[in-house]
Amino acid sequence: QVQLQESGPGLVKPSQTLSLTCTVSGVSMSSGGYYWNWIRQFPGKGLEWIGYIYYSGATYYNPSLKSRVAMSLDTSENQFSLNLGSVTAADTAVYYCARNPDTAMDELDFWGQGTLVTVSS
Amino acid sequence: QSVLTQPPSASGTPGQRVTISCSGSGSNIGGNTVNWYQQLPGTAPKLLIYSVNQRPSGVPDRFSGSKSGTSASLAISGLQSEDEADYYCASWDDRLHHNVFGGGTKLTVL
Repeated sequence: QVQLQESGPGLVKPSQTLSLTCTVSGVSMSSGGYYWNWIRQFPGKGLEWIGYIYYSGATYYNPSLKSRVAMSLDTSENQFSLNLGSVTAADTAVYYCARNPDTAMDELDFWGQGTLVTVSS
Repeated sequence: QSVLTQPPSASGTPGQRVTISCSGSGSNIGGNTVNWYQQLPGTAPKLLIYSVNQRPSGVPDRFSGSKSGTSASLAISGLQSEDEADYYCASWDDRLHHNVFGGGTKLTVL
């Protein structure tokens, strides 16, 4: 059974960098076939796609966040990570990792449980 | 402001049929498939419907989806109390080159 689990600090100070890791089990990221995504959900419920990384290391980021976002992966640990720089209170959200098949870019078929990140001094 | 437009709320009584609409544009729903996600209270979104009207394994056939032009709909028949959740539509956007979501519809079972 495929499982994804987010981890990282729940509190980040304004102007600092938010760093999260998603640990994947049940499927090997190095085998390919999937894109690995970060999505966030704001307190008002809205969902925003942040970006994805492919097993090759190729990335694509939401243009609205591109200047602040970086993703990486560690196939030896079966993990991928998100760094979001220069955070403000507007970045407070529940952050989810999710995967989609590379044959269906729009189908987020497995999600992590999510982790709440609060930006506050 | 979400790219796709959904009504903020919907409601029905047990056994009823309810529909939730989702409106987009030619760059997303009009030219691509639509997916629906169900988010039960305190949990992550779960893929409910993909490719407009396909159900992943384990999703009851009470849930169905459709699309016409730049709009889509989710229908739930035989409404049950456990269907009380937030429902989100989503689609790929050819102009933005990524997934876009609706603002979500909170379904209440009266």
